[in-house]
Amino acid sequence: EAQVTQNPRYLITVTGKKLTVTCSQNMNHEYMSWYRQDPGLGLRQIYYSMNVEVTDKGDVPEGYKVSRKEKRNFPLILESPSPNQTSLYFCASSLTPLVHINEQFFGPGTRLTVL
Amino acid sequence: AQKITQTQPGMFVQEKEAVTLDCTYDTSDQSYGLFWYKQPSSGEMIFLIYQGSYDEQNATEGRYSLNFQKARKSANLVISASQLGDSAMYFCAMRVVFPSKLTFGTGTRLQVTL
Repeated sequence: EAQVTQNPRYLITVTGKKLTVTCSQNMNHEYMSWYRQDPGLGLRQIYYSMNVEVTDKGDVPEGYKVSRKEKRNFPLILESPSPNQTSLYFCASSLTPLVHINEQFFGPGTRLTVL
Repeated sequence: AQKITQTQPGMFVQEKEAVTLDCTYDTSDQSYGLFWYKQPSSGEMIFLIYQGSYDEQNATEGRYSLNFQKARKSANLVISASQLGDSAMYFCAMRVVFPSKLTFGTGTRLQVTL
Protein backbone atom coordinates (compact mmCIF):
# COMPACT_ATOMS: atom_id res chain seq x y z
CA GLU A 1 0.00 0.00 0.00
CA ALA A 2 1.32 3.42 -1.00
CA GLN A 3 1.69 5.49 2.11
CA VAL A 4 3.56 8.01 4.20
CA THR A 5 4.24 6.86 7.74
CA GLN A 6 5.21 8.93 10.76
CA ASN A 7 6.40 7.92 14.18
CA PRO A 8 5.55 8.51 16.88
CA ARG A 9 1.91 9.48 16.44
CA TYR A 10 1.73 11.09 19.86
CA LEU A 11 4.54 12.43 22.01
CA ILE A 12 4.67 14.35 25.26
CA THR A 13 8.10 15.61 26.20
CA VAL A 14 9.82 18.27 28.27
CA THR A 15 11.62 21.44 27.29
CA GLY A 16 15.14 20.86 26.04
CA LYS A 17 14.98 17.11 25.49
CA LYS A 18 16.07 16.35 21.93
CA LEU A 19 13.61 14.38 19.85
CA THR A 20 13.22 13.04 16.33
CA VAL A 21 10.01 12.45 14.42
CA THR A 22 10.51 9.97 11.63
CA CYS A 23 8.85 10.09 8.23
CA SER A 24 9.05 7.43 5.56
CA GLN A 25 7.35 7.01 2.18
CA ASN A 26 7.25 3.93 -0.07
CA MET A 27 6.29 5.64 -3.34
CA ASN A 28 9.79 6.59 -4.54
CA HIS A 29 8.82 10.25 -4.31
CA GLU A 30 11.49 12.89 -4.83
CA TYR A 31 9.83 15.68 -2.90
CA MET A 32 9.20 15.54 0.85
CA SER A 33 8.09 18.22 3.24
CA TRP A 34 7.23 18.92 6.87
CA TYR A 35 4.32 21.09 7.98
CA ARG A 36 3.03 22.15 11.33
CA GLN A 37 -0.63 22.85 12.00
CA ASP A 38 -1.75 25.30 14.64
CA PRO A 39 -5.32 26.48 15.39
CA GLY A 40 -6.32 29.45 13.27
CA LEU A 41 -3.13 29.31 11.21
CA GLY A 42 -3.69 26.39 8.88
CA LEU A 43 -0.63 24.37 7.90
CA ARG A 44 2.75 26.04 7.51
CA GLN A 45 5.79 24.54 5.90
CA ILE A 46 8.83 23.94 8.10
CA TYR A 47 11.38 22.35 5.74
CA TYR A 48 11.31 20.63 2.41
CA SER A 49 13.55 18.40 0.35
CA MET A 50 13.72 18.27 -3.43
CA ASN A 51 15.75 15.03 -3.42
CA VAL A 52 18.44 13.17 -1.50
CA GLU A 53 20.86 15.55 0.21
CA VAL A 54 18.85 18.58 -0.98
CA THR A 55 16.92 20.38 1.75
CA ASP A 56 15.76 23.94 2.27
CA LYS A 57 13.88 26.09 4.74
CA GLY A 58 10.16 26.66 4.55
CA ASP A 59 8.22 29.40 6.27
CA VAL A 60 8.84 28.45 9.92
CA PRO A 61 12.21 26.63 10.16
CA GLU A 62 13.45 28.05 13.47
CA GLY A 63 14.09 25.36 16.07
CA TYR A 64 14.01 22.47 13.60
CA LYS A 65 16.50 20.45 11.60
CA VAL A 66 16.04 17.88 8.87
CA SER A 67 18.15 15.49 6.87
CA ARG A 68 17.60 13.48 3.68
CA LYS A 69 20.18 10.75 3.46
CA GLU A 70 17.87 8.29 1.73
CA LYS A 71 15.08 8.96 -0.70
CA ARG A 72 12.40 7.33 1.43
CA ASN A 73 13.19 8.96 4.80
CA PHE A 74 12.94 12.57 5.95
CA PRO A 75 13.25 12.87 9.75
CA LEU A 76 12.40 16.06 11.63
CA ILE A 77 14.72 16.87 14.52
CA LEU A 78 14.01 19.16 17.42
CA GLU A 79 17.36 19.72 19.13
CA SER A 80 15.95 21.63 22.11
CA PRO A 81 12.16 21.60 22.04
CA SER A 82 10.25 24.49 23.56
CA PRO A 83 6.55 24.84 24.47
CA ASN A 84 5.88 26.95 21.36
CA GLN A 85 6.67 23.87 19.28
CA THR A 86 3.63 22.12 20.68
CA SER A 87 1.70 21.40 17.50
CA LEU A 88 0.38 18.82 15.07
CA TYR A 89 3.07 17.87 12.57
CA PHE A 90 2.55 16.43 9.11
CA CYS A 91 5.03 14.90 6.74
CA ALA A 92 4.07 14.93 3.06
CA SER A 93 5.55 13.68 -0.18
CA SER A 94 4.93 14.06 -3.89
CA LEU A 95 6.36 12.52 -7.02
CA THR A 96 8.42 15.48 -8.20
CA PRO A 97 8.90 19.04 -7.01
CA LEU A 98 8.92 20.64 -10.40
CA VAL A 99 5.30 20.67 -11.38
CA HIS A 100 2.40 22.00 -9.40
CA ILE A 101 -0.07 19.33 -10.34
CA ASN A 102 1.39 16.62 -8.18
CA GLU A 103 -0.82 15.78 -5.28
CA GLN A 104 0.98 15.74 -1.96
CA PHE A 105 0.37 12.62 0.10
CA PHE A 106 0.21 13.28 3.81
CA GLY A 107 1.25 11.14 6.72
CA PRO A 108 -1.18 10.56 9.59
CA GLY A 109 0.27 13.36 11.73
CA THR A 110 2.27 13.52 14.95
CA ARG A 111 0.76 15.34 17.88
CA LEU A 112 3.60 16.81 19.94
CA THR A 113 3.26 18.41 23.36
CA VAL A 114 6.27 20.13 24.93
CA LEU A 115 5.89 20.85 28.64
CA ALA B 1 4.43 35.17 -2.26
CA GLN B 2 1.29 33.12 -2.37
CA LYS B 3 -1.70 33.63 -0.13
CA ILE B 4 -4.91 31.70 0.44
CA THR B 5 -7.90 33.26 2.19
CA GLN B 6 -10.80 31.31 3.64
CA THR B 7 -13.22 33.77 5.20
CA GLN B 8 -15.69 31.29 6.72
CA PRO B 9 -14.36 29.90 10.00
CA GLY B 10 -17.47 27.71 10.39
CA MET B 11 -20.45 26.62 8.34
CA PHE B 12 -23.59 24.62 9.01
CA VAL B 13 -25.53 22.71 6.37
CA GLN B 14 -28.45 20.33 6.55
CA GLU B 15 -28.05 16.79 5.38
CA LYS B 16 -28.73 16.36 1.63
CA GLU B 17 -28.30 20.06 0.95
CA ALA B 18 -25.47 21.56 -1.11
CA VAL B 19 -22.86 23.82 0.46
CA THR B 20 -20.19 26.13 -0.93
CA LEU B 21 -16.93 26.74 0.90
CA ASP B 22 -15.17 29.91 -0.18
CA CYS B 23 -11.53 30.26 -1.13
CA THR B 24 -9.69 33.16 -2.71
CA TYR B 25 -6.05 33.15 -3.63
CA ASP B 26 -3.30 35.52 -4.57
CA THR B 27 -0.23 34.81 -6.64
CA SER B 28 1.76 36.45 -9.39
CA ASP B 29 2.55 33.08 -10.98
CA GLN B 30 0.67 32.17 -14.14
CA SER B 31 1.00 28.43 -13.56
CA TYR B 32 -0.34 27.05 -10.31
CA GLY B 33 -2.51 24.34 -8.84
CA LEU B 34 -5.37 24.64 -6.37
CA PHE B 35 -6.24 21.84 -3.98
CA TRP B 36 -8.87 21.11 -1.40
CA TYR B 37 -8.19 18.85 1.56
CA LYS B 38 -10.55 17.46 4.18
CA GLN B 39 -9.45 16.93 7.76
CA PRO B 40 -11.87 14.89 9.87
CA SER B 41 -11.69 14.88 13.65
CA SER B 42 -9.25 11.96 13.48
CA GLY B 43 -6.70 14.40 12.08
CA GLU B 44 -5.55 12.98 8.77
CA MET B 45 -5.41 15.13 5.63
CA ILE B 46 -7.52 13.73 2.80
CA PHE B 47 -7.08 15.05 -0.74
CA LEU B 48 -10.41 15.92 -2.36
CA ILE B 49 -9.95 17.75 -5.63
CA TYR B 50 -7.43 19.57 -7.82
CA GLN B 51 -7.74 22.43 -10.34
CA GLY B 52 -4.92 23.60 -12.59
CA SER B 53 -4.64 27.25 -13.54
CA TYR B 54 -4.82 26.39 -17.23
CA ASP B 55 -7.73 24.00 -16.91
CA GLU B 56 -10.72 25.41 -18.74
CA GLN B 57 -13.25 23.10 -17.16
CA ASN B 58 -14.13 23.13 -13.49
CA ALA B 59 -12.86 20.03 -11.71
CA THR B 60 -15.32 17.48 -10.36
CA GLU B 61 -14.82 14.39 -8.20
CA GLY B 62 -18.02 12.65 -7.25
CA ARG B 63 -19.99 14.97 -4.96
CA TYR B 64 -17.19 17.54 -4.96
CA SER B 65 -16.78 20.24 -7.56
CA LEU B 66 -14.51 23.22 -7.71
CA ASN B 67 -15.98 26.49 -8.92
CA PHE B 68 -12.90 28.09 -10.48
CA GLN B 69 -13.14 31.77 -11.41
CA LYS B 70 -9.69 32.78 -12.52
CA ALA B 71 -10.36 36.47 -13.03
CA ARG B 72 -11.75 36.75 -9.52
CA LYS B 73 -9.01 34.47 -8.14
CA SER B 74 -11.50 32.26 -6.42
CA ALA B 75 -11.64 28.47 -6.11
CA ASN B 76 -14.74 27.60 -4.14
CA LEU B 77 -15.51 24.01 -3.16
CA VAL B 78 -19.07 22.85 -3.70
CA ILE B 79 -20.28 19.74 -1.90
CA SER B 80 -23.56 18.42 -3.21
CA ALA B 81 -25.97 16.27 -1.20
CA SER B 82 -24.14 16.73 2.11
CA GLN B 83 -23.74 13.72 4.36
CA LEU B 84 -23.08 13.50 8.09
CA GLY B 85 -19.63 12.14 7.28
CA ASP B 86 -18.78 15.42 5.53
CA SER B 87 -18.49 17.13 8.93
CA ALA B 88 -14.84 18.11 9.07
CA MET B 89 -12.33 20.91 8.61
CA TYR B 90 -11.74 21.84 4.97
CA PHE B 91 -8.55 23.46 3.73
CA CYS B 92 -7.93 25.22 0.44
CA ALA B 93 -4.32 25.19 -0.72
CA MET B 94 -2.23 26.39 -3.63
CA ARG B 95 0.98 25.14 -5.13
CA VAL B 96 3.25 26.89 -7.62
CA VAL B 97 6.14 25.39 -9.50
CA PHE B 98 8.79 26.92 -7.26
CA PRO B 99 9.02 26.89 -4.31
CA SER B 100 7.05 23.71 -4.49
CA LYS B 101 5.20 23.93 -1.21
CA LEU B 102 1.52 23.96 -0.48
CA THR B 103 0.28 27.27 0.89
CA PHE B 104 -2.79 26.67 3.02
CA GLY B 105 -5.72 28.76 4.10
CA THR B 106 -6.85 28.79 7.72
CA GLY B 107 -9.66 26.34 7.05
CA THR B 108 -13.45 26.16 7.31
CA ARG B 109 -15.12 23.86 9.81
CA LEU B 110 -18.23 22.31 8.25
CA GLN B 111 -20.94 20.79 10.41
CA VAL B 112 -23.65 18.74 8.71
CA THR B 113 -26.89 18.54 10.69
CA LEU B 114 -29.93 16.27 10.45
